[in-house]
Amino acid sequence: QSVLTQPPSVSAAPGQKVTISCSGSSSNVGNNYVSWYQQLPGTAPKLLIYDNDKRPSGIPDRFSASKSGTSATLGITGLQTGDEADYYCGTWDSSLSAGGVFGGGTKLTVL
Amino acid sequence: QLQLQESGSGLVKPSQTLSLTCAVSGGSISSGGYSWSWIRQPPGKGLEWIGYIYHSGSTYYNPSLQSRVTISVDTSKNQFSLKLSSVTAADTAVYYCARSGNGFDPWGQGTLVTVSS
Repeated sequence: QSVLTQPPSVSAAPGQKVTISCSGSSSNVGNNYVSWYQQLPGTAPKLLIYDNDKRPSGIPDRFSASKSGTSATLGITGLQTGDEADYYCGTWDSSLSAGGVFGGGTKLTVL
Repeated sequence: QLQLQESGSGLVKPSQTLSLTCAVSGGSISSGGYSWSWIRQPPGKGLEWIGYIYHSGSTYYNPSLQSRVTISVDTSKNQFSLKLSSVTAADTAVYYCARSGNGFDPWGQGTLVTVSS
């Protein structure tokens, strides 16, 4: 069972918008920066968002994210079939079970 | 462009020690304030952070694996390594190395390690 909670799956049609939630606690999401990763089938995860809402160079502005309290949200607009992937949130945890923590992942299906 | 590449044994017998190395190219492992992490992903499952090391040799491990994990760094070879002892089938996974800071980036391509007799 993952420390951060994500919905197992989301789906939407091409061109539409989708959001993926990531819920944690005060020891992780609430007091640390959140990052988001995209994992295309058979490949390594790729950083999409860091420091809650910043995009690395090369990541299109169709991808956005926000954080409020102990929850974070990834948004993807103008969905493309190439966006079908697993998406993970991650952060650091400051509790006794400290270290890097991830959500269980959300499978995005573009219908 | 910074690149990371994992290498090591793809098949380990139960109770033995898993050993992997991550070679860093396109930049120095000693530069910046980054740490260097190992992360694993069992087949069909999510990501699990194993631990990280700084170029100084300071380490921090996942408490659930701490008793079995050792991460070391060789700055002269620009690489860092993972040892996981007393492995069982539950340790079968794709193992990734990654630079860690505000997020994990970049990642190596990953290497599958299977624990089986």
